[in-house]
Amino acid sequence: DAGVIQSPRHEVTEMGQEVTLRCKPISGHDYLFWYRQTMMRGLELLIYFNNNVPIDDSGMPEDRFSAKMPNASFSTLKIQPSEPRDSAVYFCASSLVGLSPYEQYFGPGTRLTVT
Amino acid sequence: SQKIEQNSEALNIQEGKTATLTCNYTNYSPAYLQWYRQDPGRGPVFLLLIRENEKEKRKERLKVTFDTTLKQSLFHITASQPADSATYLCALGNAGNMLTFGGGTRLMVKP
Repeated sequence: DAGVIQSPRHEVTEMGQEVTLRCKPISGHDYLFWYRQTMMRGLELLIYFNNNVPIDDSGMPEDRFSAKMPNASFSTLKIQPSEPRDSAVYFCASSLVGLSPYEQYFGPGTRLTVT
Repeated sequence: SQKIEQNSEALNIQEGKTATLTCNYTNYSPAYLQWYRQDPGRGPVFLLLIRENEKEKRKERLKVTFDTTLKQSLFHITASQPADSATYLCALGNAGNMLTFGGGTRLMVKP
């Protein structure tokens, strides 16, 4: 398997623009997680899905952030409008509870820079 | 509020020695604890999981202990190698599959 795939790997955008990050989880995995990592705040869980249904979005910082999972093989994280403080590395991770409970497989991340 | 503390200062050790990293937590009753390794520019990679009713877990040169009374986990790498140099993250989990990560400790193994 190719592992968790994220695109783009790098994104530079101007403040106020819409940003869409994409994730393809490992085939067959039933959980998908979106994280944000910064030097100041470390790795923070934003939202996670189980079987395509959002379970907990309490980590989503504001209404500017939204996430969808239209099917088992694709998820998006959208920021609209983007702000400089959104600059971070965004990770997607997936897991299969029945395989090795709670072990999460992370993608390579998307480095977002908002100027 | 929940707090997970890892030593934010880098740990520098000599090749061949045992590296010991610490993870302390407060205001949390985790069902399990995990350790991940993260290399620069990459996502975290799972290493070990230990459940609340387990005291110790081993995997090759890695050993994890979990003391729910002290609210502490220790992560040991024996016979350390320069290739072990990375940032190590501890993460606490609940029954709902959610993880809360510590800030990580950077390990540098010098030849």
